[in-house]
Amino acid sequence: GESVGLHLPTLSVQEGDNSIINCAYSNSASDYFIWYKQESGKGPQFIIDIRSNMDKRQGQRVTVLLNKTVKHLSLQIAATQPGDSAVYFCAENMNDYKLSFGAGTTVTVRA
Amino acid sequence: DVKVTQSSRYLVKRTGEKVFLECVQDMDHENMFWYRQDPGLGLRLIYFSYDVKMKEKGDIPEGYSVSREKKERFSLILESASTNQTSMYLCASSLETLYSNQPQHFGDGTRLSIL
Repeated sequence: GESVGLHLPTLSVQEGDNSIINCAYSNSASDYFIWYKQESGKGPQFIIDIRSNMDKRQGQRVTVLLNKTVKHLSLQIAATQPGDSAVYFCAENMNDYKLSFGAGTTVTVRA
Repeated sequence: DVKVTQSSRYLVKRTGEKVFLECVQDMDHENMFWYRQDPGLGLRLIYFSYDVKMKEKGDIPEGYSVSREKKERFSLILESASTNQTSMYLCASSLETLYSNQPQHFGDGTRLSIL
């Protein structure tokens, strides 16, 4: 079946640098995408979402880019901080109740 | 802020026991979900509910049941716990809207061990 996946399982980034986390999805019918952050011992925390009629959306220090042509989603974190260390998941939705989650990228911020 | 509260952070039960995991949300959300999260397998949907007393099977419902008697509360039941149900269980809720999707908001999980 179709699934959401992340390009890299781990990402190490220097504090203060920008981070880019990538996600490839395979279901062209998906019309809603979400990024979650999961810290150790906690549940996934909503970061930002984007609908398929947009190609970019910005939040506080985060930007999500959606390229429907190549079915690619990315999360950019500006000026990465130690508190950004976590596992990041992308999820897709096809206009029903279900979300399909990727396996996650573990981001480690180096001081 | 949305608050999804799971009654236990850690739970240890024995094989064959009936186990109840409770979840409460305070944002009047129509939709509620139960997932399990396992290393290498990601989040998998067990059951969801889009209204009181309504439930739908997710991707892995076998060995589980659910109850939604009140809008704010969604319970996951392991009818006869087995060791392969040792996992992190996550509850989520979302608002129901007619024309657009809304994000799911998660609790902090219950780490369940079946001995």
